[in-house]
Amino acid sequence: DAGVTQSPTHLIKTRGQHVTLRCSPISGHKSVSWYQQVLGQGPQFIFQYYEKEERGRGNFPDRFSARQFPNYSSELNVNALLLGDSALYLCASRGTGRDTEAFFGQGTRLTVV
Amino acid sequence: QKEVEQDPGPLSVPEGAIVSLNCTYSNSAFQYFMWYRQYSRKGPELLMYTYSSGNKEDGRFTAQVDKSSKYISLFIRDSQPSDSATYLCAMSRGFQKLVFGTGTRLLVSP
Repeated sequence: DAGVTQSPTHLIKTRGQHVTLRCSPISGHKSVSWYQQVLGQGPQFIFQYYEKEERGRGNFPDRFSARQFPNYSSELNVNALLLGDSALYLCASRGTGRDTEAFFGQGTRLTVV
Repeated sequence: QKEVEQDPGPLSVPEGAIVSLNCTYSNSAFQYFMWYRQYSRKGPELLMYTYSSGNKEDGRFTAQVDKSSKYISLFIRDSQPSDSATYLCAMSRGFQKLVFGTGTRLLVSP
């Protein structure tokens, strides 16, 4: 079975531009969450989606938005990029019920110049 | 004060040593506890997953959760140079967001 897949792997953008990151969860998982990890820190929660509805939002500006599609894949959009948005963006896929381990993709490394 | 505290290290040990990694937390509502291993510039890999208090063992890895003390541990036996990585603890209340520690960098020398 395929794990969590994210695309693209690496991305370089200019300040002020817009970026879209994509994530496909593990088959059967209906929850997708997005995290931002800057160098030397643990991942910080951005959004959680379950059954195509937003179930949680972290302390990030409105420039960050996301959505989940009927096939449970997800997109994270960031507008008006700032240098400080440079980070590893991680997508987590999580099952439901008692076994709710969260599995991560390999991440998208975004560099804003 | 952060919800989850974790010593960033680095923690340097010789090959074969027993490694102890720890996190403390402040939110008594946390129920699910996870340990991830992260190699440089890669996504976190789930190592151990525990629900509520107790111990869990998987090969060379043992996870312990003490909810009364708000303290979790990961033990690695017979450490190998390939174990050199950053270890992240994470926890959640139910199905909600994961809250991570900063990660501990482990270096295992041959």
